[in-house]
Amino acid sequence: DTVMTQSPDSLAVSLGERATINCKSSQSVLFISNNKNYLAWFQQKPGQPPKLLIYWASTRESGVPDRFSGSGSGTDFTLTISSLQAEDVAVYFCQQYYDTPRTFGQGTKVEIK
Amino acid sequence: QVHLQESGPGRVKPSETLSLTCTVSGGSISSYFWTWIRQPAGKGLEWIGRIYASGATDYSPSLKSRVTMSVDTSKNQFSLKLSSVTAADTAVYYCAREGLTDHFDSWGQGTLVSVS
Repeated sequence: DTVMTQSPDSLAVSLGERATINCKSSQSVLFISNNKNYLAWFQQKPGQPPKLLIYWASTRESGVPDRFSGSGSGTDFTLTISSLQAEDVAVYFCQQYYDTPRTFGQGTKVEIK
Repeated sequence: QVHLQESGPGRVKPSETLSLTCTVSGGSISSYFWTWIRQPAGKGLEWIGRIYASGATDYSPSLKSRVTMSVDTSKNQFSLKLSSVTAADTAVYYCAREGLTDHFDSWGQGTLVSVS
């Protein structure tokens, strides 16, 4: 299985400040033939299903605010919230869809400082 | 906009079989992979497996011996059976669609199943 490891487990950021979450996969999720990273980011608020934010590591899902951005390639990825808003308080998960079983990171809890 | 809705018993007794159905509306069940994912309270997400409209399946190796998935295209539904459940199977169970570009683009609201 491809193990996904996120860091940190939690972080507290002031409103308007940048939040950065890292995700590392135990093997590359870059598909050479199409040069795409099979990596997605989700946001989950209490009592709700995960919401897709980013796919192909850096493509923002329709309707997702542009303060959310994804970067990275191969085994190392980052989700950045450029200016944290109160509604961004949530748990964030990375997930690889390069192979099966699909696997998720353990989650990063983002709070307001 | 496709909509997914899980249904099934909220409580299952230990050693019995958990059965859930996901009903898809607003779109066809054809041409996609349909997935089950679970999340124990306060914990992370675990992929259980997926089924294609044709009936082809992929299961998590850790659950493979206990999982059966099926699809009913006439009803736009797919189902999960998990046998010999224990307390460790208590979780919110989500159904989700793996879109044409392979990521999970639509999710059900989730249903809590308690084993007790």
